[in-house]
Amino acid sequence: QKEVEQNSGPLSVPEGAIASLNCTYSDRVSQSFFWYRQYSGKSPELIMSIYSNGDKEDGRFTAQLNKASQYVSLLIRDSQPSDSATYLCAVKSYTGNQFYFGTGTSLTVIP
Amino acid sequence: NAGVTQTPKFRILKIGQSMTLQCAQDMNHNYMYWYRQDPGMGLKLIYYSVGAGITDKGEVPNGYNVSRSTTEDFPLRLELAAPSQTSVYFCASGDSYSNQPQHFGDGTRLSIL
Repeated sequence: QKEVEQNSGPLSVPEGAIASLNCTYSDRVSQSFFWYRQYSGKSPELIMSIYSNGDKEDGRFTAQLNKASQYVSLLIRDSQPSDSATYLCAVKSYTGNQFYFGTGTSLTVIP
Repeated sequence: NAGVTQTPKFRILKIGQSMTLQCAQDMNHNYMYWYRQDPGMGLKLIYYSVGAGITDKGEVPNGYNVSRSTTEDFPLRLELAAPSQTSVYFCASGDSYSNQPQHFGDGTRLSIL
């Protein structure tokens, strides 16, 4: 069983719509959760972190965490073509300094 | 403000050769990481370091070695290169407070032929 699972997509949404990206994880005691954005041919960049159940908002981005369901999601409101990228979910292990990354979801925002 | 600098950006090696991937950061971060990313895959942790003189294995350490003699530098050594090590290698750093990869280098694209 993979530590972190994401739907690889591709996910396509029209410009201005809400993009919803989902991630599940297997380690029930994981405490820290992160979303990274990776443009094609570029390095990942950290966009959101979330540690507690519920929602965390940062501009057009909202991260949602449900530890009981072992589920974390990223919502992108008012999607823009510049949001087209691969979004990587990452989970920090409770027992150490290891981060487990999902394989990423490819998002395309259609103008 | 350089951030995380990786060299070289591209390299082709022959099977059995060795090389060192360089990584340097100028943010005084204690945490540094080496990841590899295969096409269509997520990042796999090779090694990480929580400070100068301290390193530890990640998920896929076999065939690699690291050292951390200074806070700034975290080189990754490939011994006896194999085709399975063809990948994109990313170095990352993070501060002690957040304890996570915050800044990534641009990557080294390595091919073993």
